[in-house]
Amino acid sequence: GNSVTQMEGPVTLSEEAFLTINCTYTATGYPSLFWYVQYPGEGLQLLLKATKADDKGSNKGFEATYRKETTSFHLEKGSVQVSDSAVYFCALRLTGGGNKLTFGTGTQLKVEL
Amino acid sequence: EAQVTQNPRYLITVTGKKLTVTCSQNMNHEYMSWYRQDPGLGLRQIYYSMNVEVTDKGDVPEGYKVSRKEKRNFPLILESPSPNQTSLYFCASSPSGTGGLAKNIQYFGAGTRLSVL
Repeated sequence: GNSVTQMEGPVTLSEEAFLTINCTYTATGYPSLFWYVQYPGEGLQLLLKATKADDKGSNKGFEATYRKETTSFHLEKGSVQVSDSAVYFCALRLTGGGNKLTFGTGTQLKVEL
Repeated sequence: EAQVTQNPRYLITVTGKKLTVTCSQNMNHEYMSWYRQDPGLGLRQIYYSMNVEVTDKGDVPEGYKVSRKEKRNFPLILESPSPNQTSLYFCASSPSGTGGLAKNIQYFGAGTRLSVL
C-alpha cells in the first residue's frame, strides 16, 4: 500500500541553524508530494509541493526536491527562526487517486533562541 | 475570506451520547474530507465526499457517519461515541476534477478536539 515515513521528533534547533526533516514514501504509481505545516492550535496549511521527479518545491525559505530514485522528499531550510516552530507533515497524493492525501506521522520542530 | 469552519473547537462528552461536528466551507469546493489526528499516527482519513450526495469511506470509517446534503456542509456524526474516538478531528476541502494539481490542494479547518469519557 501507499505510505509516508517521516523522521521522528521532536527536533530542537537553535535559531539560524540548518534544518532537515527526512521523508520517504512508498507508492504505486507516480504520486504528487506535499509538505504541510501545523502551527500550534491551528489546522494544516500547505507549505510546498512537487508533482514529478526532480521538481523542487519552495516557500518561505523551505525547500524540498522530489527524488524518485530514493523515493524521498526531504524538507530543508537554511536558517530557521523561532516562528518556524510547528509540526510538519509530509504527504502524498496518487495521480488518479482522487483527492486523498496519505500523511506521515508528523515531525515537531522546536526552534529556540 | 476563504475558509473551512469547524464547530465546536472543543468537546467533552460521555460514552454513547450522540454528537455532531459541523464543517462548512465557503469556497464552493466539490471535495470534502474528514481526518482524525492521533499521536504517532499522523492524519488518517475517515470519510470523504466528491460532491453533494456522494460520500465514501476512508481508511478508518468505523463508528462514524457523514452526510453531504449541501455543497458547503459536511457534518461528521458519532452515533454512539466511545473513548477510542477521543482525538483531534480536521475537516478539509478542495476543488476536484481536472485542471492541474493547484486545483486539488486541500484547505483545512482549525480542528475539533474531542474527548469521550
